[in-house]
Amino acid sequence: GAGVSQTPSNKVTEKGKYVELRCDPISGHTALYWYRQSLGQGPEFLIYFQGTGAADDSGLPNDRFFAVRPEGSVSTLKIQRTERGDSAVYLCASSLSPGSNYGYTFGSGTRLTVV
Amino acid sequence: QQQVKQSPQSLIVQKGGISIINCAYENTAFDYFPWYQQFPGKGPALLIAIRPDVSEKKEGRFTISFNKSAKQFSLHIMDSQPGDSATYFCAASKNFNKFYFGSGTKLNVKP
Repeated sequence: GAGVSQTPSNKVTEKGKYVELRCDPISGHTALYWYRQSLGQGPEFLIYFQGTGAADDSGLPNDRFFAVRPEGSVSTLKIQRTERGDSAVYLCASSLSPGSNYGYTFGSGTRLTVV
Repeated sequence: QQQVKQSPQSLIVQKGGISIINCAYENTAFDYFPWYQQFPGKGPALLIAIRPDVSEKKEGRFTISFNKSAKQFSLHIMDSQPGDSATYFCAASKNFNKFYFGSGTKLNVKP
């Protein structure tokens, strides 16, 4: 596609439920990143994929968060036993390769609200 | 510990004026410093970026000034326009693997 696509754009879930957030990167982009943006803050790094493997998952806050990219394209961020503190905009970005001079292209994000 | 500190939190500028946003970083290993522009409901979009081997980079109305010894860099928006009203984030990275973002500056350019 022309840009990074994230679905759903909005997700409201009850505390304790499981959610999946999907990211479709730009075709051909090998690097994929997940960030979380809380209200009034800058994005915070969660995890980075190079191809199918997670090259750096140091930003995942705890073991309730997990992300996969099984075929090196679409990625899914999975959150188990959601908590109200997980409410934020989850941003996905992709780039041609790590270190690309074009930088990241971000999607519009998924706004997750845990009630 | 916040890796990148950004100021001011908000900024009001008259149309045609100069908008200046400042950032400071701690990690001297950082080697890439981009600025992102974000409109409500959208993801951040890359505006301009600089490497630490140059002190200034200009693209149209946007200029980054970089002071390696002070570990500071700033964004200057010349001839600011109402359409520039958005939130701006500075960021820093080492080897592009992950970015550390500042907390953002909400810019309002008054007509």
